[in-house]
Amino acid sequence: DVKVTQSSRYLVKRTGEKVFLECVQDMDHENMFWYRQDPGLGLRLIYFSYDVKMKEKGDIPEGYSVSREKKERFSLILESASTNQTSMYLCATLGDREEDEQFFGPGTRLTVL
Amino acid sequence: AQSVSQHNHHVILSEAASLELGCNYSYGGTVNLFWYVQYPGQHLQLLLKYFSGDPLVKGIKGFEAEFIKSKFSFNLRKPSVQWSDTAEYFCAVSPLNSGYSTLTFGKGTMLLVSP
Repeated sequence: DVKVTQSSRYLVKRTGEKVFLECVQDMDHENMFWYRQDPGLGLRLIYFSYDVKMKEKGDIPEGYSVSREKKERFSLILESASTNQTSMYLCATLGDREEDEQFFGPGTRLTVL
Repeated sequence: AQSVSQHNHHVILSEAASLELGCNYSYGGTVNLFWYVQYPGQHLQLLLKYFSGDPLVKGIKGFEAEFIKSKFSFNLRKPSVQWSDTAEYFCAVSPLNSGYSTLTFGKGTMLLVSP
């Protein structure tokens, strides 16, 4: 079974803080993704990575950056957290076969005060 | 860029009622199609997927979906819902041959099944 873990289920930070969200997968998948999930908006792609040290912007990258130093770990960074970044953040991983589907972690609910 | 439209934001049904959740996408090329489900307090998980072949796809827990290429639709169905089907359902599309296997999600449909 694919296992995707995220460092925290709940996180509370203050405006202006630097925030790190960590995601680790144990399936040796090349591709990893960060989404945010908001009520009524579904899931929106922030960044993704198809290889170590490679990253691509998704649909809403503003205010975020990512780091992929090791294959199994993909970090989402909020350089200076703002209240509009309060959200549920989901990490996902994907194998290389065309018929593969994305596997999701449990999510981190971030509140920025 | 592709987009996904889910017809209903909220659906309320009684147990044993039939379910159909609409999903339409816009993209000019070939796509892979997915339905994901998120039960209360749980992580997002795959319900079913379509890649090629038979356009009627069967998934877990008695769900099925039909891909109608001419209508750009991938509606989710279940003949008789249960209280345990209460969840949020997301339709998603992934273009083939796009270079990267990114998913575009619809905004989700919250299904509430009353006992």
